[in-house]
Amino acid sequence: DGGITQSPKYLFRKEGQNVTLSCEQNLNHDAMYWYRQDPGQGLRLIYYSQIVNDFQKGDIAEGYSVSREKKESFPLTVTSAQKNPTAFYLCASSIGQGLHSYNEQFFGPGTRLTVL
Amino acid sequence: KNQVEQSPQSLIILEGKNCTLQCNYTVSPFSNLRWYKQDTGRGPVSLTIMTFSENTKSNGRYTATLDADTKQSSLHITASQLSDSASYICVVSAIDAGNNRKLIWGLGTSLAVNP
Repeated sequence: DGGITQSPKYLFRKEGQNVTLSCEQNLNHDAMYWYRQDPGQGLRLIYYSQIVNDFQKGDIAEGYSVSREKKESFPLTVTSAQKNPTAFYLCASSIGQGLHSYNEQFFGPGTRLTVL
Repeated sequence: KNQVEQSPQSLIILEGKNCTLQCNYTVSPFSNLRWYKQDTGRGPVSLTIMTFSENTKSNGRYTATLDADTKQSSLHITASQLSDSASYICVVSAIDAGNNRKLIWGLGTSLAVNP
């Protein structure tokens, strides 16, 4: 099956620990994205990558880091510098430039991170 | 300021009834608008996209309309089903002050369809 997967579904970490969220896609999409979703707020872009070995900061990149070593993988690390990391994290991919909404973004099932 | 506002914030209807969700935007220049459906605890799934020249587009029981003059879009759901219970999110493509493309996401309308 083609699609985009995120793991784990739920993640618990102690305050001060770094944690890495996985995102894999087999859709052969060039672009990948990480969003954060909080109650009462719209999706906010953390990082995006339009091509392997290249990525750009989104609106709320502070406290996060990413890598894009392979086309199908775009892991997100939530560092201890992120002041309020508890949230629902969504990964997405698109064929081309997805920040032009004409190119549909396909989303993974999300990872709910809780920092204790 | 580029903004996307959705109403109502939440809605409860009975199975089989119709409903209409609203999306007003102040994004300029406008390129296109997309509606997503997001089930609880899942990622959003695209329902339809509206470009500047399109007024109406249907996807099964979902019909989206766009009035580019008044900067309003609506999503009409016909003969609702229990599986329609979800959040419906409107997103508009914009260009920021740095001439970079970005997506402006609405907060969504939470729809509950009761038996």
